[in-house]
Amino acid sequence: DGGITQSPKYLFRKEGQNVTLSCEQNLNHDAMYWYRQDPGQGLRLIYYSQIVNDFQKGDIAEGYSVSREKKESFPLTVTSAQKNPTAFYLCASSRDSGGQPQHFGDGTRLSIL
Amino acid sequence: GENVEQHPSTLSVQEGDSAVIKCTYSDSASNYFPWYKQELGKGPQLIIDIRSNVGEKKDQRIAVTLNKTAKHFSLHITETQPEDSAVYFCAARGMYSGGGADGLTFGKGTHLIIQP
Repeated sequence: DGGITQSPKYLFRKEGQNVTLSCEQNLNHDAMYWYRQDPGQGLRLIYYSQIVNDFQKGDIAEGYSVSREKKESFPLTVTSAQKNPTAFYLCASSRDSGGQPQHFGDGTRLSIL
Repeated sequence: GENVEQHPSTLSVQEGDSAVIKCTYSDSASNYFPWYKQELGKGPQLIIDIRSNVGEKKDQRIAVTLNKTAKHFSLHITETQPEDSAVYFCAARGMYSGGGADGLTFGKGTHLIIQP
């Protein structure tokens, strides 16, 4: 089955610690995205990548970093500089960035210990 | 950048009745408008989308209408069923101030409750 896999489903971070969220897709999509979702809020774009080895900041990139070394993988690191990291993180992909439908994974819930 | 407003935040309807969720957008250049359904603990699932060259699209019990002049679009669900209960998000594709971006701007969601 083709799809987007996010892991882990739940993640806990200690103060001052960096954590990395995994996102893998086997849809052969060029574009990938990371969103943050807070209770009662819509999704806000953190970073996106239109092609391998390229990525751009979204609306709320501060305190986050990404890499896109492989087409199928787009990991997100939540750094210690992100002072309010508790949220539901969603990864998405689309065939390209030309207004094609975005397909989402089932998310990672990050909490602070 | 694009701004999307979604109303209502909560909608309760009797099973079998229709539900309508409305969104407005600010960027007249936006040209793609998807709707997503999100169940608890899951990622959003695309249920229907519409492009700016079309005024209406229908898929079984779900329809979306787009008014480009007024910059608003709506989701219509007919003959609602208990499994329609979820949070629904509208979105619009516009250009970010960062230049050349192609992400989606989402509304804040509507919690649809189907009363048996």
